[in-house]
Amino acid sequence: TQLLEQSPQFLSIQEGENLTVYCNSSSVFSSLQWYRQEPGEGPVLLVTVVTGGEVKKLKRLTFQFGDARKDSSLHITAAQPGDTGLYLCAGAKSEKLVFGKGTKLTVNP
Amino acid sequence: DSGVTQTPKHLITATGQRVTLRCSPRSGDLSVYWYQQSLDQGLQFLIQYYNGEERAKGNILERFSAQQFPDLHSELNLSSLELGDSALYFCASSVGVLVGGGDTQYFGPGTRLTVL
Repeated sequence: TQLLEQSPQFLSIQEGENLTVYCNSSSVFSSLQWYRQEPGEGPVLLVTVVTGGEVKKLKRLTFQFGDARKDSSLHITAAQPGDTGLYLCAGAKSEKLVFGKGTKLTVNP
Repeated sequence: DSGVTQTPKHLITATGQRVTLRCSPRSGDLSVYWYQQSLDQGLQFLIQYYNGEERAKGNILERFSAQQFPDLHSELNLSSLELGDSALYFCASSVGVLVGGGDTQYFGPGTRLTVL
């Protein structure tokens, strides 16, 4: 079983739409990170959230860490084709990062 | 460009063979991490080295081994290769040993291994 479950697995939307992807676990993490990975490249860190209930904004992206530090969400406003990619969440546990399988987002022009 | 380099970019080999993947961390980073990414398992942590010493182990098979050299570059050795070892192998580096709150991992572009 996967320690971190991400949903949805695939998401295809039109430019300008809003979307939310989720990262859920039954485990508590000391922090949670979101990455974006494009084809043929390694994951790139977008944000780290550390405190339960924390909300961070990165331009059109809003990240939230659950109060119990077991889950997180990523909300994108007015999606653009450049947002297309694989979004991975990763929880920090015992000096290791545990990754979810990712949400593959396609934003169509 | 993350500053982490990996060679080769692509590797095609046969079952039963042995291969070595190489990683050079970002300048100043002491930790090197190895990950395996496959379609069914996602990104799986294999092993971490810090300043030449093994720091943490994940789901690394006994057929796989790694080391970090005095110049801090790292090599991942995969032996007795099986079809199921076909995957993307990523190296990442960070300044210290704590991931998450205070440290950032920078990923290389990966090595795509195909076992035929």
